[in-house]
Amino acid sequence: NAGVTQTPKFRVLKTGQSMTLLCAQDMNHEYMYWYRQDPGMGLRLIHYSVGEGTTAKGEVPDGYNVSRLKKQNFLLGLESAAPSQTSVYFCASRRRLAGSLGSSYEQYFGPGTRLTVT
Amino acid sequence: GQQLNQSPQSMFIQEGEDVSMNCTSSSIFNTWLWYKQEPGEGPVLLIALYKAGELTSNGRLTAQFGITRKDSFLNISASIPSDVGIYFCAGPTSGTYKYIFGTGTRLKVLA
Repeated sequence: NAGVTQTPKFRVLKTGQSMTLLCAQDMNHEYMYWYRQDPGMGLRLIHYSVGEGTTAKGEVPDGYNVSRLKKQNFLLGLESAAPSQTSVYFCASRRRLAGSLGSSYEQYFGPGTRLTVT
Repeated sequence: GQQLNQSPQSMFIQEGEDVSMNCTSSSIFNTWLWYKQEPGEGPVLLIALYKAGELTSNGRLTAQFGITRKDSFLNISASIPSDVGIYFCAGPTSGTYKYIFGTGTRLKVLA
C-alpha cells in the first residue's frame, strides 16, 4: 500500500513549455486534490475532484488544467508554464464521507513535485 | 485565501523540552487535523480530532479539540531532534470538500 505517489519528483521547465504531473493513490479514495506550496503562502488549492470524471476549481486554478479519467489517478497540466508557477506541488486524497465516520475527513498527501520554471 | 492562525510561528527548543502550539479560527470546525512536514517531503497526518473537548495522543504527541470548536492545541513531550519540521493544523470547511490550512509552526530542536 503505497498511499499517494507523485511523479516526477523534480522538473525544470522553460517559460512556455508544457508538462503533466501525475498523482496516483491506491486507497480507493473518491476525493483528490492538487495544492501548491510557496514560501510564506501555505498550501493553496488549485483544483480538486470528488470522483472519477469530475473536476472543480480551487483557490488558484488559473494556468492549470486537470483530469480524472480513472479513480486512482489525478493529473495536473500546465499548458504554457510561467515563472510564477515555480512552486512545490502536492497531491492529496481522502475518502468520501460515509454516515458519521469522522475519519472520512482525513486527507493524505503525496511527497510533492518541485517545479522550477525559468 | 482564508487561513487558520497558528502560534508560535517558530520555536527553538532544547532536546528534552516539551512543546506547545495552537491553532485558532474565526469559524467553527467539526474536525481538526494536525500534520508534520519535513524538508523536501509532503505533510504527514499525525492526529485527527472529531469532537469538541477530545484529547488524542499519538506517542509523545497529544492534541486537543477546543471546547469552542474554534481552536486546537498540539503538545509534544520530551522533544527529540527528529521532531524538527513544520507543524500544520487543518480542517475541512463546512459544507464543502475543501480544507483550510494553518500558517505552520516551524520547530527546531537543539541537541
